[in-house]
Amino acid sequence: AQTVTQSQPEMSVQEAETVTLSCTYDTSESNYYLFWYKQPPSRQMILVIRQEAYKQQNATENRFSVNFQKAAKSFSLKISDSQLGDTAMYFCAFTPAYNTNAGKSTFGDGTTLTVKP
Amino acid sequence: NAGVTQTPKFQVLKTGQSMTLQCAQDMNHEYMSWYRQDPGMGLRLIHYSVGAGITDQGEVPNGYNVSRSTTEDFPLRLLSAAPSQTSVYFCASSYGTGVYGYTFGSGTRLTVV
Repeated sequence: AQTVTQSQPEMSVQEAETVTLSCTYDTSESNYYLFWYKQPPSRQMILVIRQEAYKQQNATENRFSVNFQKAAKSFSLKISDSQLGDTAMYFCAFTPAYNTNAGKSTFGDGTTLTVKP
Repeated sequence: NAGVTQTPKFQVLKTGQSMTLQCAQDMNHEYMSWYRQDPGMGLRLIHYSVGAGITDQGEVPNGYNVSRSTTEDFPLRLLSAAPSQTSVYFCASSYGTGVYGYTFGSGTRLTVV
């Protein structure tokens, strides 16, 4: 079984600044994918970014990027030029691939991010 | 495209009642799953399905049943509601086994009194 830990229950950042959310995981799986999801007050879960564990290159999506350290089992999310619409809870998720556990995702407990004007 | 549609959005049940949470997707995704989200916690997997006619248990399956008769629909049945099942329930679907990420429904807030 895998575990996902988000050690920062709450964070805040000033508008236009940069913030980094932390995530660590523990697994014995060799093939897996990592994700960050955003849950704004509307409750809708939205996929932010995806990382394939066999790729060393860090994923980027516009203002969102990750720092993936496979050996350290660390997967942090960096949000640049923070906007008020980034205010949300952010979840880190781990998904095994290509075996009997494929698709059985594990989510962290979330980090509530508040962007201040 | 509607994506993943969940009904109802809110529900209050009395202890011991049964009900079905509906989930439908129009993206022809083979993989569908149900999660529950409790306050201050992440999502926990209840049941999942890799295709029509195939279902399996997740991390917290007790008290819930599922079936998958079509690719589009994946209902979740609460057999005899208990206060511990008060939660927000999310249905999700994906291409493949979730390795491309999930599309989530808007959730159902269930309260059991």
